Amino acid sequence: ETGVTQSPTHLIKTRGQQVTLRCSSQSGHNTVSWYQQALGQGPQFIFQYYREEENGRGNFPPRFSGLQFPNYSSELNVNALELDDSALYLCASSLAVRANYGYTFGSGTRLTVV
Amino acid sequence: DQQVKQNSPSLSVQEGRISILNCDYTNSMFDYFLWYKKYPAEGPTFLISISSIKDKNEDGRFTVFLNKSAKHLSLHIVPSQPGDSAVYFCAASEINAGGTSYGKLTFGQGTILTVHP
Repeated sequence: ETGVTQSPTHLIKTRGQQVTLRCSSQSGHNTVSWYQQALGQGPQFIFQYYREEENGRGNFPPRFSGLQFPNYSSELNVNALELDDSALYLCASSLAVRANYGYTFGSGTRLTVV
Repeated sequence: DQQVKQNSPSLSVQEGRISILNCDYTNSMFDYFLWYKKYPAEGPTFLISISSIKDKNEDGRFTVFLNKSAKHLSLHIVPSQPGDSAVYFCAASEINAGGTSYGKLTFGQGTILTVHP
């Protein structure tokens, strides 16, 4: 049973550019959530996808968007990058939406915006 | 608006002793609480959870206590081991307007636990 895989592991982008981060969910999991973790902070919820539909969104602007594919893998897209977008981006997958099903996190993508 | 707070940025404990990590929350709609452990360069790993209908849950060396009236939970690790050294996050999920839990987790800022041999 493979876990959650995220790619790339590290990325450096210039302010104003666009970035796509990818996540392969754990086998059998149909729910994917994305979190942003700034340095010294806890992860902050960006959005969640359940069976290819957005199922909830945190306090992030529309330039943060996502997709979930039929195989339940997911992408996080960020347009018009800002310096404050520099963070660790975590993907978590689950058997279902409810938190008590448990979430398995990937190791994250470290994004640096210069 | 920090709805989940871990007021101790760090905790240092001797091997074999008890580690107590604390977490406070403000949102009374939170109904499920989780603790995660995070090592550098890895994602958070689930440790233990508790539903709001309980006040204690135990799993091996880890016990979580929930005091709903005080909006406070704590994680006890007994005995502490050097391998427990990591960042510990408290997280909570809430009941939505329809009365069911949904998937957003609200995390605290984390507490760095160091267990000395």
